[in-house]
Order: sequence, then C-alpha cells, then structure tokens
Amino acid sequence: EVQLLESGGDLVQPGGSLRLSCAASGFSLSSYAVSWVRQAPGKGLEWVSTFSGSGGSTYYADSVKGRFAISTDHSKNTLYLQMNSLRAEDTAVYYCAKGTVAAAALGWFDPWGQGTLVTVSS
Amino acid sequence: QSVLTQPPSASGTPGQRVTISCFGSSSNIGSNTVNWYQQLPGTAPKLLIYNDNQRPSGVPDRFSGSKSGTSASLAISGLQSEDEADYYCAAWDDSLNGWVFGGGTKLTVL
Repeated sequence: EVQLLESGGDLVQPGGSLRLSCAASGFSLSSYAVSWVRQAPGKGLEWVSTFSGSGGSTYYADSVKGRFAISTDHSKNTLYLQMNSLRAEDTAVYYCAKGTVAAAALGWFDPWGQGTLVTVSS
Repeated sequence: QSVLTQPPSASGTPGQRVTISCFGSSSNIGSNTVNWYQQLPGTAPKLLIYNDNQRPSGVPDRFSGSKSGTSASLAISGLQSEDEADYYCAAWDDSLNGWVFGGGTKLTVL
C-alpha cells in the first residue's frame, strides 16, 4: 500500500527555518514525482514545490522561490522541504502528494499524506 | 487570487444534479489535463477525477468530469449528504512551470 507520512511541523518565529519530512512507503521516490501542497487556515490548496522522479528536477511556486528547497534521500525514501526566511503567510498545513509518473508536469496527485501544521508567529 | 477560477459555493438537495465550473487559460486547462480533488471536512484532499474525465477505482459513477477549451466542469448527480465537501480543480501551467489550483468550491447539501 502506498503511504505518505509528513512530520516536522511546528511553531516558528518569523524569519526562522524549519525542515519538513515526508516518509514514503509502497513505492520508490526515484520513480515518481512528489510534491508539497499547502493549505492556509480556512483557505484553499496552494501548490508549493515538486521534485521529479527522473533526473531530480525541482519546481517552485513564485511565493516560495529562493526561500524553500525540496530534496530527497533515496536511502530513506524520504522527501524533504527546507523552509527558510519564514513569513506569517507561510502558516499552513503542508501536505505531500505522490505523482503518477516521474515527470513533474504530468499525472495527478494520489495519494496525499495527512499533513503537518506549520505556524509562523512571534 | 487563484489562477483557476471556481465558484466559491454550490448547493443542491439530495438527488439533484450539481455542476462546478473551473475556468483557466491556454497555458493550463487549454493545453493540459484537469484533475479534481475532493476534501471532506477535516481530512486531506483525495483524487476524484483525473485526465479530465477519468474516475479512480472506488469513486462512484455519480461523479463525472468534462473539459472544453479553457474550462472544465465537475458534475455530481444523485446528490448525497456525504458529498458535502470542498472541491478543487488543478492543472499544470506551462507559463508558470508549476501546478495551479482553483480556489475551491464548497458544496452544501441542503
């Protein structure tokens, strides 16, 4: 069974850093694109970043470009999101989601993890 | 402001048919397939429709998707109380080089 388990969410001060993890099971991260999607409290879904399964290309939303970095550890089959220079508007539940092919631009998100809450506040 | 435009709310009575629209542009819906996600209250999103009109196994055939030009639609027939949820459309955007979502539609079953 394919499963994704996020962790690392916490309360952090503005300007601070945090690293989220997404442990994957039932499939290999090296074969599929995997993405981060966030949802601010009471708001809609916002795509954050994708790591492609082939070649390891990375893609970022303009709102996080230059501040966030997505990466994978194939030995642990885990996806990461390093978040720096955090702002109040980054407060959200962060979901990781598996793509259906290696290419970032194709397919769909299925399944999704249960999410981890990041709160940026002083 | 979301790149894909959905109505913020929709409603219907049990047994009715409702449709939710999703408007985009030539760089997203006009050139890539559309996926729909259902988010029940307090839960993570779940894939509902992929490749414009395909249903994953386990999704009732009451749910259907369609696309024409730069817009897409989700139709739910035989509305049931358990369909009360938020619905999101999504597509890859060639200009932004990333995924874009609609703002979401909150469906209420009256």
